[in-house]
Amino acid sequence: DVVMTQSPLSLSVTLGQPASISCRSSQSLVFSDGNSYLNWFQQRPGQSPRRLLYQASIRDSGVPDRFSGSGSGTDFTLKISGVEAEDVGVYYCMQGTHWPPVTFGQGTRLEIK
Amino acid sequence: QVQLQESGPGLVKPSQTLSLTCTVSSGSISSDYYYWSWIRQHPGMGLEWIGFSSNSGSTSYNPSLKSRVTISVDTSKNQFSLNLNSMTAADTAVYYCTAGSDTSKVARWGQGILVTVSS
Repeated sequence: DVVMTQSPLSLSVTLGQPASISCRSSQSLVFSDGNSYLNWFQQRPGQSPRRLLYQASIRDSGVPDRFSGSGSGTDFTLKISGVEAEDVGVYYCMQGTHWPPVTFGQGTRLEIK
Repeated sequence: QVQLQESGPGLVKPSQTLSLTCTVSSGSISSDYYYWSWIRQHPGMGLEWIGFSSNSGSTSYNPSLKSRVTISVDTSKNQFSLNLNSMTAADTAVYYCTAGSDTSKVARWGQGILVTVSS
């Protein structure tokens, strides 16, 4: 199975400041069609996860444009351009290229400093 | 957008079988997505994929659970289900049903249901 490794595991950010989360995979996530099937999810306290981005960089409808995703191969990044209070929660990356099974990163906990 | 809602018992005795149902609303299980999966989250922990059933009937399960899991889709009821037998305390978790497609194997999530295994 593909191992997904996130860093850091926790992040404390001042309101309005940027944040960045790294996700690395044990194998390249580039599929034969050229796409990387890498999702980012946000799980707010007490809620179920919500997809923010898919195919590494495509933002879901309704997701604020302060969230962006980049990367290819084995290295991916989620960036928040200016953290807001509602962004508190745990962020997970997930690969769907080498599946089944899909596999998740350990999660990165974002808090406000 | 498709909405998902889990239902089933919140408490299961050791050795019993867990049966959960996911009801799909505001959409069709036959056409809106293809992969209907279950994912669980142990208390305070990360996410573990259990398996999926497609709306064409194909299935795949996490090897760590494969001997105990059955997932099936009922298109007539717009529902899919999870059966997990021989439950132990290690299966205590929040269970989520999800919907996905080839572009994103997991896209939509239900709200989750906490299942506790205890006598």
